[in-house]
Order: sequence, then C-alpha cells, then structure tokens
Amino acid sequence: AQSVSQHNHHVILSEAASLELGCNYSYGGTVNLFWYVQYPGQHLQLLLKYFSGDPLVKGIKGFEAEFIKSKFSFNLRKPSVQWSDTAEYFCAVSIGNYGQNFVFGPGTRLSVLP
Amino acid sequence: EAGVAQSPRYKIIEKRQSVAFWCNPISGHATLYWYQQILGQGPKLLIQFQNNGVVDDSQLPKDRFSAERLKGVDSTLKIQPAKLEDSAVYLCASSLEGGGGETQYFGPGTRLLVL
Repeated sequence: AQSVSQHNHHVILSEAASLELGCNYSYGGTVNLFWYVQYPGQHLQLLLKYFSGDPLVKGIKGFEAEFIKSKFSFNLRKPSVQWSDTAEYFCAVSIGNYGQNFVFGPGTRLSVLP
Repeated sequence: EAGVAQSPRYKIIEKRQSVAFWCNPISGHATLYWYQQILGQGPKLLIQFQNNGVVDDSQLPKDRFSAERLKGVDSTLKIQPAKLEDSAVYLCASSLEGGGGETQYFGPGTRLLVL
C-alpha cells in the first residue's frame, strides 16, 4: 500500500517568513498530488493539485508546489506567510487516471505569529 | 451552490451501541467518499462510491462498518457495534466524476465519541 509522509508535525513562523512544507510519497507509478488545507473551524478545502503537465503548480492565496518525480516529493511553498495562513495542511496522493487509493498524509500544523 | 451536508454534527454513544451518519453530496456529483479522521492524524479513506457502486472499500472494517448509497445520491455510514477506537471525525466528500485529478469537496464532518 502506498504511503504519504510529511516532514513536520508543527511549524511556527512569524509573519512575512517564507514557508516550505515537505511531502513525500511511496508509489512509483502515475500519481495525482494534492495539498488540502483546514483553517480553524472550517472544512477541508483544496489548496492546489498536480495531475499532469507543468510540475510547478500554483494554488490559491499565493501557495505553490513543485512535483519532483525523482525524489517522490511534492513540497508546498509560500514566499511570505500571513497570520491568516494559520491552519492544518495535508498532502494527499491518488493513483492513476481514476484516482484510486486516495491517501492523506498525517498533516502539518502551521502557526503564524503576528 | 450548496456544499456537502452531513448530520448529525456530534454524537456520543457507549461502546457496543450502533450509530449512523448521513451525507448528502453536492448536486450532480457522481463520486462520494467517507473518511475517518482520528485526532492528530490525516483522514483515512473508508469507502468510495461511484454513483451507487463501490469503487474502493479496502480499508473499511467490514465486520462492524457498513455503508450504502442506494439511489446514487445521499449515503449512510453505520457502525455496529461501536468500539472505543472508533472515536473520530467522520468526513464525507464528493467529486464530480471521480477522475484522478479531481477536487474533492468536504463536508463539516460528524464528531463521534465512544465512551
């Protein structure tokens, strides 16, 4: 079974600092990659996704992620975080054209200090 | 556009009791997912429906969990009998067709506490 790991359990940053959250997956074939975010008191929602094409994908609120196939990685980045980015971030992976075996990582909690 | 609806929002039961959760997906979405999210962990897929057929239920504990989506729209997830370790948030999500790169839209979840 495939697995997803996220490098950090809890990250604390000051406003305007740069952010990089690590994500690695185990499956060697065709994958679809996602970052979901859960703001306090809100539903899980999609931040960005990759399923083909340009490995550098841009999402909402200034976030971007880069798919590096050789490293089995899909790291999330933002050049300057805001207090409103405080949330739980989940990396997720599915396999193939029909999105089988959807697996979430354990999540990284981001706290941004004003 | 209405989002994914779930009920109840909270449920407290004693172990060995049964419980059922209901989900109504976004109108027109063919694919429906149920997840279990234990505190401090990422959501774990329990079952995925495409219309009223099961696509993936490999992680559903079938001795106690069951789910159905009879008319290809709303769905129920049942636990019978419940165990202490079933305490979690149960999330429902839907997507348009279930293709590999599709976005899933999540409901607010049902928080279950088993005493």
